[in-house]
Amino acid sequence: AQSVAQPEDQVNVAEGNPLTVKCTYSVSGNPYLFWYVQYPNRGLQFLLKYITGDNLVKGSYGFEAEFNKSQTSFHLKKPSALVSDSALYFCAVKKAGTYKYIFGTGTRLKVLA
Amino acid sequence: DAGVTQSPTHLIKTRGQQVTLRCSPISGHKSVSWYQQVLGQGPQFIFQYYEKEERGRGNFPDRFSARQFPNYSSELNVNALLLGDSALYLCASSPPGLAGGETQYFGPGTRLLVL
Repeated sequence: AQSVAQPEDQVNVAEGNPLTVKCTYSVSGNPYLFWYVQYPNRGLQFLLKYITGDNLVKGSYGFEAEFNKSQTSFHLKKPSALVSDSALYFCAVKKAGTYKYIFGTGTRLKVLA
Repeated sequence: DAGVTQSPTHLIKTRGQQVTLRCSPISGHKSVSWYQQVLGQGPQFIFQYYEKEERGRGNFPDRFSARQFPNYSSELNVNALLLGDSALYLCASSPPGLAGGETQYFGPGTRLLVL
């Protein structure tokens, strides 16, 4: 069975500091991994995805994520946080050959000015 | 290009009633998925449709049904509403692909409140 874990309900970081939002997954076979961001009363916005190839994936708004197969992780990172990055972040996994996307419970990022 | 659109934006129903939610995908996208997002949780997969055929179904009761039309728009129907059906219902569309890593693009959602 596929599953995604986001171990932190909330992450606080000072503006200008690097940020990391953690995600680990469990899936048999090859995973497709995604990060989405959700602002209040809005749908989810796509940030980036890992399908294959380079383990470091670069996405929108300066975000990047590193796929680590041995640790089954796909942590989201940004070198310098902005107050406007404050939002709810979701990690999702999809097993290759299937149609079902599994989302984590979300991590609320709060960037403090 | 317009993004995924959903209607209505908000809806209030009472227990036992039925509701229909609507979704229009991004132009050129043939796949539509429906998710339920309960407050404080991540989206839960309900259905995926492609070319009017159901391709996947999540762990939801038969009270939930959906269909996709020739123009690729979709409807989600929920019968015999329960209080626990109160949630944000999200629709997502994705470009043509064969169970690959196609990206899903989400609409703003329909917030359903069941009283």
